[in-house]
Amino acid sequence: DIQMTQSPSSVSASVGDRVTITCRASQGVRSWLAWYQQKPGKAPELLIHAASSLQSGVPSRFSGSGSGTDFTLTISSLQPEDIATYYCQQANSFPLTFGGGTKVEIK
Amino acid sequence: QVQMVESGGAVVQPGGSLRLSCAASGFSFNNYGMHWVRQAPGKGLEWVAVIWYDGSKKYYADSVKGRFTISRDTSTPKNTLYLQMNSLTVEDTAVYYCARGYPRAENFDYCGQGTLVTVSS
Repeated sequence: DIQMTQSPSSVSASVGDRVTITCRASQGVRSWLAWYQQKPGKAPELLIHAASSLQSGVPSRFSGSGSGTDFTLTISSLQPEDIATYYCQQANSFPLTFGGGTKVEIK
Repeated sequence: QVQMVESGGAVVQPGGSLRLSCAASGFSFNNYGMHWVRQAPGKGLEWVAVIWYDGSKKYYADSVKGRFTISRDTSTPKNTLYLQMNSLTVEDTAVYYCARGYPRAENFDYCGQGTLVTVSS
């Protein structure tokens, strides 16, 4: 199985700050990497698929990059409504696997 | 609008069985693969299983293989996804979400609100 490692596990930033989350796969997943946002008490929602394709309706301050084993999710200007836990997920092969999550908080 | 409503969660003893259901509406259910994803209390997301749009393929997480079975009823108006869970252990305690496979079978976009399964003696 492909192991996904996210860092950091938590980040505290101010409104307007740029926030970067990284995700590393234990083996290459080409560009088949997705990012999900989960707000407290809610179901996860798809933000980005295929490493950099923004899901419809997702604000443009979210962006993704990377291929192979190393990927990045960037929030260009953190907003209060972005408080959530973010998960990466490899979509290259079954079984699908998630990273451990990154909790984003407002400083 | 896309909607999925899970049901069937309960408190069950170790070794017991449970069947979860997910009623889907607002989209062409027969055209989409469907997933189950779970989240133990205070923990991260864990993918459980997927079934192809036509039921022709099914894949499972190693942790549930041989114990859980995913299935779907595509007859109208049922449009329902199922998860039969047998030989339950305390490690299966989690909120279980059903999710629509999109844009590929290996992704999912919409999830239901989840149903809680508690395995405890």
